Amino acid sequence: DTGVSQNPRHKITKRGQNVTFRCDPISEHNRLYWYRQTLGQGPEFLTYFQNEAQLEKSRLLSDRFSAERPKGSFSTLEIQRTEQGDSAMYLCASSPDRRNTEAFFGQGTRLTVV
Amino acid sequence: AQSVTQPDIHITVSEGASLELRCNYSYGATPYLFWYVQSPGQGLQLLLKYFSGDTLVQGIKGFEAEFKRSQSSFNLRKPSVHWSDAAEYFCAVGLGSGGTSYGKLTFGQGTILTVHP
Repeated sequence: DTGVSQNPRHKITKRGQNVTFRCDPISEHNRLYWYRQTLGQGPEFLTYFQNEAQLEKSRLLSDRFSAERPKGSFSTLEIQRTEQGDSAMYLCASSPDRRNTEAFFGQGTRLTVV
Repeated sequence: AQSVTQPDIHITVSEGASLELRCNYSYGATPYLFWYVQSPGQGLQLLLKYFSGDTLVQGIKGFEAEFKRSQSSFNLRKPSVHWSDAAEYFCAVGLGSGGTSYGKLTFGQGTILTVHP
C-alpha cells in the first residue's frame, strides 16, 4: 500500500502524559500537513512541511504541540502534558510539489485523553 | 479570511433518490475547491476537485459538482444514491501561495448523509 500511513490508529492516554504520533507520507510527496478534527467538525489545519522545513503553523498549535520532519520523509507530532481538550482525530496528509494536485489523507490517529 | 459553509448538518434520502449537498465559500481569489468523503473512524477520500476550466466536474462513485462563481457555491450532486454512499461529506477550499500550496485546506463543518433502504 503506497498511501499515507499513520500510527498508532488509536491512543488512550491519561491527562498530563506526553504522546507522539507518526505519519509516513506517500514516498514521492515532499509536502506534509497535519490537521486536527474534533467530533462533529471538519478538519482544522495545524501545520505544514515542505521537505524538512516547517513553513507554517496555525494558532491552534499551542506550545505543548511540536511537529518534526527531520529527514523530509516521515513526520512526528508530539503533544506534551495532554489535556482533555486534546482529544480528537489527528490527520496527516501529503501532496507533491506541483500545480493542480490534491492532498492525500491518512486514516488518522484517534486520541482520547482520560 | 477564507471560510466554507455547509448549511445542512444532516441529510436523509432514500436509496435511488437524487442528492444535492450544498457548499458555499468565502474567499478573495479564485478558489481551489474539493469534496472529500469520510466514513466513521476513517480518513478522508477525495471525491472530486476544481482548479479551473469547465465548471462542472466529474468525480468518483458517480458524483459531480458545479462551481458557480456568482453564487460562491460548489454543490455536490448524485443522480441516484446507493446505500454505500452513507458517510460524512466535507467541502473544502484550498489556499494557494504562488499557485502551489493546495494541501492547506479550509473545511466546512460537514454534512452527514443517511440513506434509507
